[in-house]
Amino acid sequence: SQTIHQWPATLVQPVGSPLSLECTVEGTSNPNLYWYRQAAGRGLQLLFYSVGIGQISSEVPQNLSASRPQDRQFILSSKKLLLSDSGFYLCAWDRETGELFFGEGSRLTVL
Amino acid sequence: DQQVKQNSPSLSVQEGRISILNCDYTNSMFDYFLWYKKYPAEGPTFLISISSIKDKNEDGRFTVFLNKSAKHLSLHIVPSQPGDSAVYFCAAAEGAGSYQLTFGKGTKLSVIP
Repeated sequence: SQTIHQWPATLVQPVGSPLSLECTVEGTSNPNLYWYRQAAGRGLQLLFYSVGIGQISSEVPQNLSASRPQDRQFILSSKKLLLSDSGFYLCAWDRETGELFFGEGSRLTVL
Repeated sequence: DQQVKQNSPSLSVQEGRISILNCDYTNSMFDYFLWYKKYPAEGPTFLISISSIKDKNEDGRFTVFLNKSAKHLSLHIVPSQPGDSAVYFCAAAEGAGSYQLTFGKGTKLSVIP
């Protein structure tokens, strides 16, 4: 069966520090991968999606970036965090039917 | 402009009664709709979906109704159980398998024992 994991689960970082959140999927090949952010009162916002290695589409211009160095690995990064980057970050993959399967989430607090 | 709207941020229901969560959309190109359930500090989990060729889809205690003319869908949970207490997200896409789902802001359901 397919599983998705992301880490770290919680992160407290000062403003201006770098960020790296990692996500891996097991049990499937060539998945579509996504990074979402859930911010207070704003629902789920799509940040990036990837249909293959090295292929990244950005939905929201900001100081975050994503990379897909391997088929089942998706990384969310920032060189310098802002206060507004605080939130709950979710990695996901989907089946052809469009159902998204989410990871456990990563709570980021920027101080 | 929000294309998927869940106008009730919260809902409280007595255990055993029906919970009805509503969702409205504005994009007439949406033809595939999904509901997700989310517990605190966890990722959302898929609940049920419906394609625009149907007006109802049922899975156990969960039923989704779609009214295309009104651009409205609803999720019914019968009977409601305390374990159903969570945030429910409505999502829409232009076709199954779309690369992008548009989510509503969510409705927090509290089922009171």
